[in-house]
Amino acid sequence: KNEVEQSPQNLTAQEGEFITINCSYSVGISALHWLQQHPGGGIVSLFMLSSGKKKHGRLIATINIQEKHSSLHITASHPRDSAVYICAVRSRAAGNKLTFGGGTRVLVKP
Amino acid sequence: EPEVTQTPSHQVTQMGQEVILRCVPISNHLYFYWYRQILGQKVEFLVSFYNNEISEKSEIFDDQFSVERPDGSNFTLKIRSTKLEDSAMYFCASSGQGVGDTQYFGPGTRLTVL
Repeated sequence: KNEVEQSPQNLTAQEGEFITINCSYSVGISALHWLQQHPGGGIVSLFMLSSGKKKHGRLIATINIQEKHSSLHITASHPRDSAVYICAVRSRAAGNKLTFGGGTRVLVKP
Repeated sequence: EPEVTQTPSHQVTQMGQEVILRCVPISNHLYFYWYRQILGQKVEFLVSFYNNEISEKSEIFDDQFSVERPDGSNFTLKIRSTKLEDSAMYFCASSGQGVGDTQYFGPGTRLTVL
């Protein structure tokens, strides 16, 4: 069983739509990261969460530690949001290393 | 804004050759990492480095791999004898003063082994 599962794997939205990406994990964690991978391959860190909710611009990330679940929301989506969004966890047992989900490929159409 | 840089952006090599991938972490960061992503697959942890030594490594990080911080700025990943299956995107990352700080990723080096 994968330690980090994301859904959906692929998502297509129309510009302006609200997008939700989900991440479930099976281990106790000390932090969860949401990352964005651009078509060229580069990775950008969006959020690091250990509880509650964080907001940055049109992006909102939430985490429920009891349910081992996190969501990334994109409000008023725009074609430039098209990317792969990756959830990664730092487990309490594993020091600083990150374990990654498989990513959600998001395409926002104009 | 400070950023992690990596060179080269693309490296092509013959099987069996040694390659060195270079990274310049953010200057006041203390923790350094290498990850790799085989085309179409998840990003995987290779190794973390702190205080001039390896702090964790994965099963992938076998004797063919080594890391070094040869001076105050560079952090390198060496693959001694490349195999076809080493073809991947290699990402360097660094994080700050605390164990739990955000990791900042470099743009990656695409390694192609022929």
